[in-house]
Amino acid sequence: KAGVTQTPRYLIKTRGQQVTLSCSPISGHRSVSWYQQTPGQGLQFLFEYFSETQRNKGNFPGRFSGRQFSNSRSEMNVSTLELGDSALYLCASSPGTGGFHEQYFGPGTRLTVT
Amino acid sequence: DQQVKQNSPSLSVQEGRISILNCDYTNSMFDYFLWYKKYPAEGPTFLISISSIKDKNEDGRFTVFLNKSAKHLSLHIVPSQPGDSAVYFCAARLNTNAGKSTFGDGTTLTVKP
Repeated sequence: KAGVTQTPRYLIKTRGQQVTLSCSPISGHRSVSWYQQTPGQGLQFLFEYFSETQRNKGNFPGRFSGRQFSNSRSEMNVSTLELGDSALYLCASSPGTGGFHEQYFGPGTRLTVT
Repeated sequence: DQQVKQNSPSLSVQEGRISILNCDYTNSMFDYFLWYKKYPAEGPTFLISISSIKDKNEDGRFTVFLNKSAKHLSLHIVPSQPGDSAVYFCAARLNTNAGKSTFGDGTTLTVKP
């Protein structure tokens, strides 16, 4: 099976712009989660989508949003970019919403805001 | 309030010796704990996990111990190899919430040849 893919891998944006990141989960996985990792920090949970519905949301401002399509692919959008949004954005997929299994992570999108 | 903490940002060990990485959590509702390993420019990869009904889980060179009363878990790597050098993240979640894990800040392990 192909792993989780994320596009683009690298992105440079200017403060005030918006950005859309894309994630394709492992085939058959219906849960997609997004995490933000800043330098020296752990992964901060952004949100989780399952069957095109947002199931969980982390403690991030409304500038961060996401969606999931019927084929389980997901996008996240950040509007009005700030310098502090520079981070590695990681997408993870899992078969379902519960159970004793791990999440599978993509390689991430490195976003730099200048 | 950081619910999962890895108090050691870095750890250096000699090849062949034991590496012990520690993790503390505060939320007693967490019932599933995972360790992930991360190399630069890659996403985290799953290493080993343990549910709250167990106190030990072993997989090859990797063993995870869980002390629920102390809200503490540890990852033992024996013997350590240079290829184990990476950032290790501890994560915790509810069994019913597979898509939302709470991560520690990570420990950078360096294994010296």
